[in-house]
Amino acid sequence: GNSVTQMEGPVTLSEEAFLTINCTYTATGYPSLFWYVQYPGEGLQLLLKATKADDKGSNKGFEATYRKETTSFHLEKGSVQVSDSAVYFCALSDRGGSQGNLIFGKGTKLSVKP
Amino acid sequence: DGGITQSPKYLFRKEGQNVTLSCEQNLNHDAMYWYRQDPGQGLRLIYYSQIVNDFQKGDIAEGYSVSREKKESFPLTVTSAQKNPTAFYLCASSPPGRASEQFFGPGTRLTVL
Repeated sequence: GNSVTQMEGPVTLSEEAFLTINCTYTATGYPSLFWYVQYPGEGLQLLLKATKADDKGSNKGFEATYRKETTSFHLEKGSVQVSDSAVYFCALSDRGGSQGNLIFGKGTKLSVKP
Repeated sequence: DGGITQSPKYLFRKEGQNVTLSCEQNLNHDAMYWYRQDPGQGLRLIYYSQIVNDFQKGDIAEGYSVSREKKESFPLTVTSAQKNPTAFYLCASSPPGRASEQFFGPGTRLTVL
């Protein structure tokens, strides 16, 4: 079945450091890929998405490229801020499904220190 | 302001009691979803509804029930049959034609004592 694997956290960085959170997926067909972010005590927010191979999603300085050859969708940011501290979830949607269900990874907690 | 409202933010119940979690949206979305979030396990789908008066079981529906009598509302009942109900519950909705771009509510943390 479809699944998402993302690097385990927590990840602790200093402000202005480079961030990479790895995400790989297993899916039949051609899924859409997403990164969601959850700030402390809140629900999830869509951060960025990519719907086909080689697409690059970007938002708020974060970016991720849909790599079909490596089945990956790694999240990157060049210079993190304290306000980026949150849990980040990689997710996929199987276009073959009729219900739009998302399959989530387990989440990676990011802590950014000043 | 359009959005999804879940209430209450924290809920405590005694073991053996049913409890209903509220989810309301004013985004005019047809599809709504309920997820359960446990530490280190990500989100798991409980139930979803694509239209009023229709809903489908997700991956972990046992011990839960839902109703969808109005487009705006999708309440979740955690029954006494749910063996481990203490968790963070998230409601979401999605716009027509973009079922995977889900908008989430702030969540309800349920603790069963």
